[in-house]
Amino acid sequence: DAGVIQSPRHEVTEMGQEVTLRCKPISGHNSLFWYRQTMMRGLELLIYFNNNVPIDDSGMPEDRFSAKMPNASFSTLKIQPSEPRDSAVYFCASSPGQGAWNEQFFGPGTRLTVL
Amino acid sequence: RKEVEQDPGPFNVPEGATVAFNCTYSNSASQSFFWYRQDCRKEPKLLMSVYSSGNEDGRFTAQLNRASQYISLLIRDSKLSDSATYLCVVNNDNGGSQGNLIFGKGTKLSVKP
Repeated sequence: DAGVIQSPRHEVTEMGQEVTLRCKPISGHNSLFWYRQTMMRGLELLIYFNNNVPIDDSGMPEDRFSAKMPNASFSTLKIQPSEPRDSAVYFCASSPGQGAWNEQFFGPGTRLTVL
Repeated sequence: RKEVEQDPGPFNVPEGATVAFNCTYSNSASQSFFWYRQDCRKEPKLLMSVYSSGNEDGRFTAQLNRASQYISLLIRDSKLSDSATYLCVVNNDNGGSQGNLIFGKGTKLSVKP
């Protein structure tokens, strides 16, 4: 069975460039989460969707970050313009329901480096 | 106080040892608790949920103490393959975002031959 799919796996870009990260959740899962992980701050929730609707975006660091989920099988996280402090591993996760007791299944992550 | 706090370690133990990790959380309204495991440069994966009465899965035992707001994970007869970072996870029940999980920064375990 295909798990959560993320692309690209690695991204190196220069400061000021636009970065788009992509995620395909597990089929049938109706909750999708975007996380960022750094050594300093650990794993932080950026935003999560339920049935394609953003439920909580309080973790989005600033207006440079935006996320969309146009349909049940695709989501994007965009950073424009990117800055060196955005360098991190970005994970997408999906779960079968909205309740916090549901297991979250993580994708392999996108390792972003902003020079 | 941090929302979910863990000793970062590393815990360096020999094969066959028993090792225990603790985690404290700040939100007394939290209802769901988990341990996730993350291997180096990999994604987190659910290890086990933590139930109020405590639960066991093979060599792994999880306990919850609501009064003191801490969670523990005990690993018996540790294996080389148990080497990983263990993340304590608690739901952030603020009344409106029950699907929101808060992850600790993790405790690193290294099992040596």
